[in-house]
Amino acid sequence: QLQLQESGPGLVKPSETLSLTCTVSGGSVITSSYYWGWIRQSPGKGLEWIGTIYYSGSTYYNPSLKSRVTISVDTSKNQFSLKLSSVTATDTAVYYCARAIAAAGSCFFDYWGQGILVAVSS
Amino acid sequence: DIQMTQSPSALSASVGDRVTITCRASQSITSWLAWYQQKPGKAPKLLIYKASSLQSGVPSRFSGSGSGTEFTLTISSLQPDDFATYYCQQYDTYSTFGQGTKVEIK
Repeated sequence: QLQLQESGPGLVKPSETLSLTCTVSGGSVITSSYYWGWIRQSPGKGLEWIGTIYYSGSTYYNPSLKSRVTISVDTSKNQFSLKLSSVTATDTAVYYCARAIAAAGSCFFDYWGQGILVAVSS
Repeated sequence: DIQMTQSPSALSASVGDRVTITCRASQSITSWLAWYQQKPGKAPKLLIYKASSLQSGVPSRFSGSGSGTEFTLTISSLQPDDFATYYCQQYDTYSTFGQGTKVEIK
C-alpha cells in the first residue's frame, strides 16, 4: 500500500524559506505512470495546488507561486521536496504531498499524505 | 485562472437522502474534473476523476456527471460515513479547487 509522509518544521519565520520533504513508501518515485505533487490548505484560500514534479525532474508550478517555489526529487531516498521562499503569514497552511496522475494540462491526486501544519510567525 | 464555484456551500441531509452538489467552471474544462471527500483532520480522498469515472474502492452510490462548465456529484443514498466536505478540482489548465460543500446531518 502506497504511503506518503510529510516532514519538516512546523514553524517558519516571516521572510524565511519553508522546506518540507515527502517520503514515499510502498512504491517508487521512479515510475513512468505518476507524478508527485504538493497541495496546501488554509482557512482563507481553501485547497491550493502548489506544484508537481516527475521523477526525471520536470516541474510544473502554480503561476501564482512560481517565483517562490522549488520542487525537487531525490530518487535515491525515494523522496521529493518543497521549498517556498520569502514566506508571510498568508503561507500558513496544512501542506500535503500527493501522488499525481497526469491528464490534460495538469493532474489530479489519488494518494495523499496526512498533511503537516506549517505556521509562519516570528 | 479558471475559477471553480461550488453550490451550495453547505447542506443538511438525512441518511438515505439523495444529495447533489454542483460545480461550475469559469470556462470550459471539457471533462477534466475530479471530486474529493474530506473529513476533519484528514487529507482529501479521491472519489471521481474525468468527471464521471469512479475511483477504485469508492462506493457506487457516488456518481459524477457533466462536461464543459457544469458538473454534478451525486450521492444516491446518503450514508453516515458520507457526512464530510466535498471539493471539485479542475485539471484542464493548471489546477484549481472549488471552495467546498459541507454535508451535515439534518
